[in-house]
Amino acid sequence: AQTVTQSQPEMSVQEAETVTLSCTYDTSENNYYLFWYKQPPSRQMILVIRQEAYKQQNATENRFSVNFQKAAKSFSLKISDSQLGDTAMYFCAYSGAGSYQLTFGKGTKLSVIP
Amino acid sequence: GAGVSQSPSNKVTEKGKDVELRCDPISGHTALYWYRQSLGQGLEFLIYFQGNSAPDKSGLPSDRFSAERTGGSVSTLTIQRTQQEDSAVYLCASSLAGRANEQFFGPGTRLTVL
Repeated sequence: AQTVTQSQPEMSVQEAETVTLSCTYDTSENNYYLFWYKQPPSRQMILVIRQEAYKQQNATENRFSVNFQKAAKSFSLKISDSQLGDTAMYFCAYSGAGSYQLTFGKGTKLSVIP
Repeated sequence: GAGVSQSPSNKVTEKGKDVELRCDPISGHTALYWYRQSLGQGLEFLIYFQGNSAPDKSGLPSDRFSAERTGGSVSTLTIQRTQQEDSAVYLCASSLAGRANEQFFGPGTRLTVL
């Protein structure tokens, strides 16, 4: 079974600074997808960024980028120029290619401090 | 609709009562997913629908949990004889067929069992 581990239950960052959230996963599959979701207090899960395992290039979305290390099974999220609106729970998730379910980590609570 | 909607937003019930949680997916999305998010935990997959069929019910935690989907649209998650450990946020997501890697989430229903 696939597992996703987020080792940082809580983190904080000063506004405008950069922060990196860690995620590791375990799988025997060769092709899969990795995700970072943001969950603000409104509870709405919002997709931040997605990475396809067969793509070596790290995904980027504006201030959000990932460091995908397939051999190490590591998938960290870097948030640049942190903003107050980035305050939320962040979940790392895994999905096997052809699978229909997402496997989530336990989340990292990020606080952006003014 | 514009997004996935869920009702009620919050539900408080007494132990032993039955509850029904509703999910209305994005129009045209034939795949629908239910997840449970317990306090301090990541999301736990419950069940997946393709159309009105649920090919995988293995995530349902007990036989007190059931789900149905009619007309390929609205889905209802029913919990019978609720227990305090059922207290959680229940999240629904939908996607186009075969696009489980592009799931859109609703705002969830927070269930509290007293």
